[in-house]
Amino acid sequence: KQEVTQIPAALSVPEGENLVLNCSFTDSAIYNLQWFRQDPGKGLTSLLLIQSSQREQTSGRLNASLDKSSGRSTLYIAASQPGDSATYLCAVRGGATNKLIFGTGTLLAVQP
Amino acid sequence: DAGVTQSPTHLIKTRGQQVTLRCSPKSGHDTVSWYQQALGQGPQFIFQYYEEEERQRGNFPDRFSGHQFPNYSSELNVNALLLGDSALYLCASSLVQIRNTGELFFGEGSRLTVL
Repeated sequence: KQEVTQIPAALSVPEGENLVLNCSFTDSAIYNLQWFRQDPGKGLTSLLLIQSSQREQTSGRLNASLDKSSGRSTLYIAASQPGDSATYLCAVRGGATNKLIFGTGTLLAVQP
Repeated sequence: DAGVTQSPTHLIKTRGQQVTLRCSPKSGHDTVSWYQQALGQGPQFIFQYYEEEERQRGNFPDRFSGHQFPNYSSELNVNALLLGDSALYLCASSLVQIRNTGELFFGEGSRLTVL
C-alpha cells in the first residue's frame, strides 16, 4: 500500500530564504508525482508535475526533483516571499491506479 | 478558459440528511475524480468517473455515490450524513488519453459541515 509522508509538518522562514520541502513515498512504482499549493480553506493549485522518467521540473522560483529509487521528492523554493505562505502537498499516482495518494502537507509561513 | 468549477462552496446539513455536490471539469477534460479532505489532512480519493461510469473507487462506503453526465460534469451524492462526513470535497479533472501521466486540476471545493 502506497504511503506518502511529508516532512516537516510546518516550517517558518524569514523572507528571502531558500527552502526545501521533502516528500517520501513507500512504493517506487509510480507514474508521476505532483506538487500542489493550498491556501487556507481553498482548493489545490498544481505547481509542478514530474513524470516517472524525469528527474526534475522547474517553474519560476520552484524546482522539484524526483528520485524514484529512493522514494523521495523535494520541492525547492528560491528567494521565498510572504505570498508563498500556504500548505504544500505532494501526491503520487501509482502503477495500477488512476488515483492520487497525498501526503498530509507542509504548512509554510514566510515572515516579512 | 474556465477551470474546474464546483458548487455550492459552503453548505450545512444535519445528521441523516442527504447532500449533492456538483462539478464542471476544465474545458477539454473528460474525466472527473472526487476527493474528501478532512481538516489538517491530505485529500483522500473517493472515486473517478469516465464515460459516465465509475471507473475506480477508494475506501468509502456505499453512502457515497456519483454520476457523470454526457457533458462530462459530475455530481457527488452522500446519503445518511454523519458528523464525520464534515470535510472539504474536492473535484479534479483530467484527460483520459493521458490519464496515467496527465496533470490533475482541482476546483476550489465544497465545504460541507454536518451538525
